[in-house]
Amino acid sequence: EAQVTQNPRYLITVTGKKLTVTCSQNMNHEYMSWYRQDPGLGLRQIYYSMNVEVTDKGDVPEGYKVSRKEKRNFPLILESPSPNQTSLYFCASSDPLAGGSYEQYFGPGTRLTVT
Amino acid sequence: EDQVTQSPEALRLQEGESSSLNCSYTVSGLRGLFWYRQDPGKGPEFLFTLYSAGEEKEKERLKATLTKKESFLHITAPKPEDSATYLCAVHVSSNTGKLIFGQGTTLQVKP
Repeated sequence: EAQVTQNPRYLITVTGKKLTVTCSQNMNHEYMSWYRQDPGLGLRQIYYSMNVEVTDKGDVPEGYKVSRKEKRNFPLILESPSPNQTSLYFCASSDPLAGGSYEQYFGPGTRLTVT
Repeated sequence: EDQVTQSPEALRLQEGESSSLNCSYTVSGLRGLFWYRQDPGKGPEFLFTLYSAGEEKEKERLKATLTKKESFLHITAPKPEDSATYLCAVHVSSNTGKLIFGQGTTLQVKP
């Protein structure tokens, strides 16, 4: 089954404690992206990756890091989480070279609370 | 600054009452406009891609249209199972993978 998986699904942590949210896709997609979703603000892009070892900033990259060492994985790293990073996070992937479209498959989401 | 705005924020319809959701955009160069459906507690699910003004796509009770400034998602004779949040997104440059989403329209269809 084609899917994007995220782990963990729920996480409560404290300010300053480094954490990683993993994202993996099994569709051999070139493009992967991270978003955060907050009430009234919609989905905002954090980082995206066009291919292995190629990453770029979205609209809200501050406080986040990413890496793309393998095609299937795109972890999101919060090195020193703060309460304003409490949010619902989504990972997504697509294959723009197959038809040139960014029709994305989304993961189930990770709800992060930073106290 | 590139911007995507959806209206209304929320919409309540009776079953069978047709309506339209709006996605207006001001971007430097539209490379594609996407509609997604999001159910509570789940990730968005892709519905349509539109590339150029005048283009239309249909799927069951949904029809998406595109002009040079906005897109509409028309819902014909909706059913309660159409209740969800509908999101639109734009891809603004062929050289990047940057995508901008609107805030979404939450649709509730009452039986």
